[in-house]
Amino acid sequence: GQNIDQPTEMTATEGAIVQINCTYQTSGFNGLFWYQQHAGEAPTFLSYNVLDGLEEKGRFSSFLSRSKGYSYLLLKELQMKDSASYLCAAMDSNYQLIWGAGTKLIIKP
Amino acid sequence: DAGITQSPRHKVTETGTPVTLRCHQTENHRYMYWYRQDPGHGLRLIHYSYGVKDTDKGEVSDGYSVSRSKTEDFLLTLESATSSQTSVYFCAISEGYDYNEQFFGPGTRLTVL
Repeated sequence: GQNIDQPTEMTATEGAIVQINCTYQTSGFNGLFWYQQHAGEAPTFLSYNVLDGLEEKGRFSSFLSRSKGYSYLLLKELQMKDSASYLCAAMDSNYQLIWGAGTKLIIKP
Repeated sequence: DAGITQSPRHKVTETGTPVTLRCHQTENHRYMYWYRQDPGHGLRLIHYSYGVKDTDKGEVSDGYSVSRSKTEDFLLTLESATSSQTSVYFCAISEGYDYNEQFFGPGTRLTVL
């Protein structure tokens, strides 16, 4: 079956760095997406990886290892507004997104 | 922000009643999707559309039907609502079906009593 695993909840301190991991098992693979979702709001796109390696976008970076079925989202210089859920989604061979349940990130002052 | 609206934003209904949720976009994107989001689960695809009158089932389509008579509108219907359909429903759009990010509407919170 197809499956996405990510931690349910993480806590970090303002100004610090946090890494949110995601492992995936899909029928075929056409890329890995990360979305941010604030409580009560819609998910918004953060990043897309299809090749191995690190993609950097400001304070956020995303890494992919296709051979390991593994990705992580790295958030630097954490701000209170980064408190949100982070959703990992893998695109399978039919170009359908398989979503993880999300990681709730709590930022403490 | 992508122009996507959903209506209603909140609805409370009773078991056995029909319910229709509407998604409206102003981006002229070809692909539209309906998801449900429940605690402890990832977003789950209900149905999607790849053009006017072209729709297909997703992972959790039982009990739901959809229609798309215009590019901008995608309707989700619960023919006879059940308590298990209490959820937050999100509509999403994308330009293409592959390698394209999806833009999400604000969501509809549906409660079936």
